[in-house]
Amino acid sequence: GENVEQHPSTLSVQEGDSAVIKCTYSDSASNYFPWYKQELGKRPQLIIDIRSNVGEKKDQRIAVTLNKTAKHFSLHITETQPEDSAVYFCAATGNQFYFGTGTSLTVIP
Amino acid sequence: DAGVIQSPRHEVTEMGQEVTLRCKPISGHDYLFWYRQTMMRGLELLIYFNNNVPIDDSGMPEDRFSAKMPNASFSTLKIQPSEPRDSAVYFCASSPRGPGNTGELFFGEGSRLTVL
Repeated sequence: GENVEQHPSTLSVQEGDSAVIKCTYSDSASNYFPWYKQELGKRPQLIIDIRSNVGEKKDQRIAVTLNKTAKHFSLHITETQPEDSAVYFCAATGNQFYFGTGTSLTVIP
Repeated sequence: DAGVIQSPRHEVTEMGQEVTLRCKPISGHDYLFWYRQTMMRGLELLIYFNNNVPIDDSGMPEDRFSAKMPNASFSTLKIQPSEPRDSAVYFCASSPRGPGNTGELFFGEGSRLTVL
């Protein structure tokens, strides 16, 4: 099956700085890579996704990059704000949704 | 649509008791997933259904866990007998498309289970 590794497990940044979270996957058949944000005590919600035929996708302050050759993808958040503080999960999907172990992001005002 | 609805939101029980968690997926979604979330292991897929049929239950930890989906609008996850290590948040999620067709997962609010 798929193995998704996510780093770092915790990340603290100053408000206004950028945050980068990286994930690697093992199954070359994976073709869809979503990112979910989970605020404290809430449900995970999709924030951005990328498909295997695209190398980069951007939505306002959030961007995701994918390197299929190296089997890694990253989430980039620019101009971070306190409301970005949450746990972020990456996932790689082929025949199943495999989630990474999560990154707890804290944005310090 | 009200989204994915789970009940109960919180459950505290004693070791050995039976626990039943319930889920109502979004209408029209053919796929339903049960996940378990813990600090140590993150989000683990337990089982998923397509059109009420279990497709992959390889994530179900042991025979104490069972899941059913008697119709398109209802699913249950049962733990019998429960153990303290089952304490976790259990999420139900539904999707209009399966993993192979890149569908977004819509999660419920989760059921927080504490087994004493």
